[in-house]
Amino acid sequence: AQSVTQPDIHITVSEGASLELRCNYSYGATPYLFWYVQSPGQGLQLLLKYFSGDTLVQGIKGFEAEFKRSQSSFNLRKPSVHWSDAAEYFCAVAPNRDDKIIFGKGTRLHILP
Amino acid sequence: GAVVSQHPSWVICKSGTSVKIECRSLDFQATTMFWYRQFPKQSLMLMATSNEGSKATYEQGVEKDKFLINHASLTLSTLTVTSAHPEDSSFYICSASGSPDTQYFGPGTRLTVL
Repeated sequence: AQSVTQPDIHITVSEGASLELRCNYSYGATPYLFWYVQSPGQGLQLLLKYFSGDTLVQGIKGFEAEFKRSQSSFNLRKPSVHWSDAAEYFCAVAPNRDDKIIFGKGTRLHILP
Repeated sequence: GAVVSQHPSWVICKSGTSVKIECRSLDFQATTMFWYRQFPKQSLMLMATSNEGSKATYEQGVEKDKFLINHASLTLSTLTVTSAHPEDSSFYICSASGSPDTQYFGPGTRLTVL
């Protein structure tokens, strides 16, 4: 069965600092991978997705993620965070493009001024 | 980009009553819609997959008689929480498959059962 692990429940970084959120997945084949962001009381916004091709994926808001098959990881990065990046971040996996999405438990990002 | 709406955005009801939540794809047709549930400070858990014109497929542990799903058209799916109880209070989010490789999520509906 597919699963997604986000080992960090909370992450705190200073504004302007770099960020890396970890995500590991468990799946027999190469899955479709996603990162979503959810601001308090809001719906989900897709940051980026990986289906195939270049393993370094660029997303919106300056985020990027790198797919590493050998490590079963899909970590999210941003070189310099802004206070507005404070939110909950979900890594997710799906077996097919249009199939149900399995979400990780999320990482809450806190930004220090 | 594609837009998915949900109505209502929040609802408060008394225990024992039924509540209907609508999920609409506003500018595309969605043959498949998904319903998720999110408890406070937790992740989204898939409840069911809704296919237009056929019965929904429920995930293990989800009571199909309690959470009625109807996908009446290519732009509308509804989730009805029947005989709601306080433990059903949650944030319900739908998503719709539009383009071949993207799901679009609605803004969610917060249900509070008193």
